[in-house]
Formats: sequence, C-alpha cells, structure tokens
Amino acid sequence: EAQVTQNPRYLITVTGKKLTVTCSQNMNHEYMSWYRQDPGLGLRQIYYSMNVEVTDKGDVPEGYKVSRKEKRNFPLILESPSPNQTSLYFCASSLRGLAEYEQYFGPGTRLTVT
Amino acid sequence: GDSVTQMEGPVTLSEEAFLTINCTYTATGYPSLFWYVQYPGEGLQLLLKATKADDKGSNKGFEATYRKETTSFHLEKGSVQVSDSAVYFCAMEVNAGGTSYGKLTFGQGTILTVHP
Repeated sequence: EAQVTQNPRYLITVTGKKLTVTCSQNMNHEYMSWYRQDPGLGLRQIYYSMNVEVTDKGDVPEGYKVSRKEKRNFPLILESPSPNQTSLYFCASSLRGLAEYEQYFGPGTRLTVT
Repeated sequence: GDSVTQMEGPVTLSEEAFLTINCTYTATGYPSLFWYVQYPGEGLQLLLKATKADDKGSNKGFEATYRKETTSFHLEKGSVQVSDSAVYFCAMEVNAGGTSYGKLTFGQGTILTVHP
C-alpha cells in the first residue's frame, strides 16, 4: 500500500531531551516536507526537500533539523525541545512539483514537551 | 510576504445547504492554489487545485476558481452532506521562475460542521 508513515504517533517528552520523529514513504517520491499544525494557525512548513541531500527552510525552521540521506526517509530532529514545540506534526511527500503532483500526508505525530 | 487568509470559522450548516469558504492570497509571484481537507483524526488530503488564472478546480462536488483580479480562490459546494464535516485549508505554492520547490503556505483552516 502506497503511504507515508510517521513514528511515533504520540510522544510526551521533557524540555531539552533530544528526539527524532521518523518519516518514510514507499512511493519513490522526490519531494518531502514537514509541517506543524497549531490551533488558529493552520499548517506551517518547517522544512522541505526536493531530493536527496537537497533541503531548505520553510516558514518556521527554528529549533528543528532535518536530513535527507535516502530518498524514502526524511527524519525531523529536535535537538533541545522546548514547550513551544508542543504541536501536531505532519510529514508529506509528492512525486515532484505540487502544481502537477498530489502531495500525500502522513497520519501525524502529536508531540507534547513538558 | 506571501500569505493566505481564510474566512474565520467555524461554519455550521444544515444538510443540503450551499457552502462558501472564502480564501484570499498575497503573493509576489504566480502561485498555484490548493484546497485541502482534513477529516477528524486524519492527515490532510488534496481536495482540488488550480495552477493558473481562471482555472477551475473541482472534486466531489466542490469547486473553486482562481481569480487573479481579486486574488481569491473561494471554495463552494451546492449541497453539503453530513460527511463533508471536516477542516478545510486553502494553500498556495509560489513558484520561482516556473520551478516548484515544494514550499507551501497554508491558511488557518475553517472548521465545517454539517447537521442532518
């Protein structure tokens, strides 16, 4: 089944404890993105990637890192999480450009930082 | 900067009512425009899109027309159903020189509730 998977789905952690949220797609997509969703703010893009080793900052990259060493994986890294990073996170992928190809979203990861 | 503004919600309608959710954008380039839908507990799904002025996107009875003169992309449906209850997001991608980089800007979302 073609899909975008994220792990974990739920995570409660403490301030400053490094964590990684994994994202994987099995559709051989070139483009991948990370978003966070907060009430009243919609979705905001954190980082996006056009292909392996090609990443760029979205609108809210502060406090996050990403890597794209393989086409299928795009992990989101929080080196020192803070409570303002409590949010619902979505990974997404598309074959290529969004004007031509549909973007598929993962099921989301709900992160709480205390 | 580039931004997307949606009408404030939530929107509550009775079944078979007409739906309009307003969306306007501000962009420095020539954006592609999208509507996404999020059902409870799920990720987002693409509902429809339009990539140039005067294009009309349509899907599942929903329509939206790309109006460059009013910088708008309003979502409409003639007769809503209970199953349309969800959160709707307007979004845009501003392409640089015709190249898509995958950088998407979303509106804040509109909660739609449809009662029987």
